[in-house]
Amino acid sequence: AQSVTQLDSHVSVSEGTPVLLRCNYSSSYSPSLFWYVQHPNKGLQLLLKYTSAATLVKGINGFEAEFKKSETSFHLTKPSAHMSDAAEYFCVVSDIFTSGTYKYIFGTGTRLKVLA
Amino acid sequence: EAQVTQNPRYLITVTGKKLTVTCSQNMNHEYMSWYRQDPGLGLRQIYYSMNVEVTDKGDVPEGYKVSRKEKRNFPLILESPSPNQTSLYFCASRPTGVSSGNTIYFGEGSWLTVV
Repeated sequence: AQSVTQLDSHVSVSEGTPVLLRCNYSSSYSPSLFWYVQHPNKGLQLLLKYTSAATLVKGINGFEAEFKKSETSFHLTKPSAHMSDAAEYFCVVSDIFTSGTYKYIFGTGTRLKVLA
Repeated sequence: EAQVTQNPRYLITVTGKKLTVTCSQNMNHEYMSWYRQDPGLGLRQIYYSMNVEVTDKGDVPEGYKVSRKEKRNFPLILESPSPNQTSLYFCASRPTGVSSGNTIYFGEGSWLTVV
């Protein structure tokens, strides 16, 4: 069965320092993995996605994530945090079953706080 | 502009008064879905639809209904809302086909409060 675990519910970093948001997943098939960002009172915006091509995926706003199958991880990183990065981040795993149905499983979210 | 549009964005209603949250997408996507977001629980799927007239339950379907009479619309119906349905609701859609990359597109969310 699929599952997604975001290891930290809250992360605080100082502006200009690196960001690491951790995500572990389990999947019975060959998954697609996503990171979405939600700014306060806004909808969800796609940051990046992994769909079995390059294991290091670059997204918008300087974020990137590395798919590590052996560790079943898909951690999100950014070299230097900006105040505008303060938001909630969701890791998502998606599978397509033989029946043709899709299933998206969301992590519980990590709230990133950026300190001036 | 490609988008998923939900209405209303904000609603306060009373227990038992039927309400409908509309969702429309202009990307000709086959797949549409409803989620609710609650603190500490992430997004949980309520219902989804693989195509017109094809709907199925997600993880938390109790108290909700949906219909898919047209490809672009996927309304969420609360026949008799209760306070535990107070939540932030998201409609989403995605295209089918391998080339689509599985990306799901979200509406801006509907804040629903049931008193």
